[in-house]
Amino acid sequence: AQTVTQSQPEMSVQEAETVTLSCTYDTSENNYYLFWYKQPPSRQMILVIRQEAYKQQNATENRFSVNFQKAAKSFSLKISDSQLGDTAMYFCAFMKHVMPRAGSARQLTFGSGTQLTVLP
Amino acid sequence: EAGVVQSPRYKIIEKKQPVAFWCNPISGHNTLYWYRQNLGQGPELLIRYENEEAVDDSQLPKDRFSAERLKGVDSTLKIQPAELGDSAVYLCASSFRGYNEQFFGPGTRLTVL
Repeated sequence: AQTVTQSQPEMSVQEAETVTLSCTYDTSENNYYLFWYKQPPSRQMILVIRQEAYKQQNATENRFSVNFQKAAKSFSLKISDSQLGDTAMYFCAFMKHVMPRAGSARQLTFGSGTQLTVLP
Repeated sequence: EAGVVQSPRYKIIEKKQPVAFWCNPISGHNTLYWYRQNLGQGPELLIRYENEEAVDDSQLPKDRFSAERLKGVDSTLKIQPAELGDSAVYLCASSFRGYNEQFFGPGTRLTVL
């Protein structure tokens, strides 16, 4: 079974500054995907960024980037130039890479989340 | 393109009453998921559908929970009877077969008194 750990329940950052959210995971799989989701107070879970484990290059989406360390099983999210709209709960999630019809293998395993507050 | 639609957004019931949640996935998405999110935690999968077939319901408490997706499009999740511990947000998500990205709805916040 996979586990995802987010050790920072809450974090805050000043507007325009940079913040890094931590995530570690435990798996015996070699091929998998890692995700960061954002959940604002509206509860809508929004995909922020995705990383395929077979890719060595860290994923980047505008102000969001990851530091993927496969050997260390670490997957941190860096938010640059933080904006007030970035205030939300952030979840790290894991998914095994399998054929589409495989049973529970396609489920997302989420961490417990980090509440990020961007201060004006 | 419309996103995943869920209703109701909020539901308050007394324990032992039945409750149902409805989800309409993104058009063309044949995979549908129901998750439960307890306060301060990440979502946990309850059931996954591929078209109208439930291919993973191992974490669905079958004594009181049931789900259906009769025509392979929208889905209903039911709890009967509800217990205090069922208070949570119930999230629906959908994805297109072969793709990993799941698109989530806004969820239904259930409060059982």
